[in-house]
Amino acid sequence: AQTIHQWPVAEIKAVGSPLSLGCTIKGKSSPNLYWYWQATGGTLQQLFYSITVGQVESVVQLNLSASRPKDDQFILSTEKLLLSHSGFYLCAWVKLNNQAPLFGEGTRLSVL
Amino acid sequence: QQQVRQSSQSLTVWEGETAILNCSYENSAFDYFPWYQQFPGEGPALLIAIRSVSDKKEDGRFTIFFNKREKNLSLHIKDSQPGDSATYFCAASEGSSGNKLIFGIGTLLSVKP
Repeated sequence: AQTIHQWPVAEIKAVGSPLSLGCTIKGKSSPNLYWYWQATGGTLQQLFYSITVGQVESVVQLNLSASRPKDDQFILSTEKLLLSHSGFYLCAWVKLNNQAPLFGEGTRLSVL
Repeated sequence: QQQVRQSSQSLTVWEGETAILNCSYENSAFDYFPWYQQFPGEGPALLIAIRSVSDKKEDGRFTIFFNKREKNLSLHIKDSQPGDSATYFCAASEGSSGNKLIFGIGTLLSVKP
């Protein structure tokens, strides 16, 4: 079965601390992968996308970076968190060609 | 300037009624329009999608009506149920690869029993 898994489920971090969020896809090789950010009660903003290992395209600059170290893994990170980084981070993938992305369960981040 | 606009931030209907959620867009190059349903605390789930070559797409109780000339579309939810209460997002992109998918602000639907 093809599955998407995000970790951790939730994080509470201090301003200025580093962050690393992960996403793993099982059951599909070379999927297109995406990171989205959603403010509480807000819309979804695409941050990054990747179509292959080692290649990541930035859509919006929010003092975050992304990497794709393996075919089935997508990492979102920053060295220094800001208050504005709080929100819901969602990883998404394209399961079938020419179909809309499917989302993971998300990671809730609170920056204090 | 919002590229994808959802005219209502909230909508309330009674159980059994048809809920109509509206969406419009600016970019004529958009040709793929998925709708997502999101419950609190969960990731959005893909509900139904339409390509600009079609004017209607139906899947069970959910139907998209699409008007390319007017650059708008609507999601109709027939026989609404309390379990349909959620936020619905209209999205748009050029092509269906998912790259640079633009979302509207969402419409919070409440279905009263």
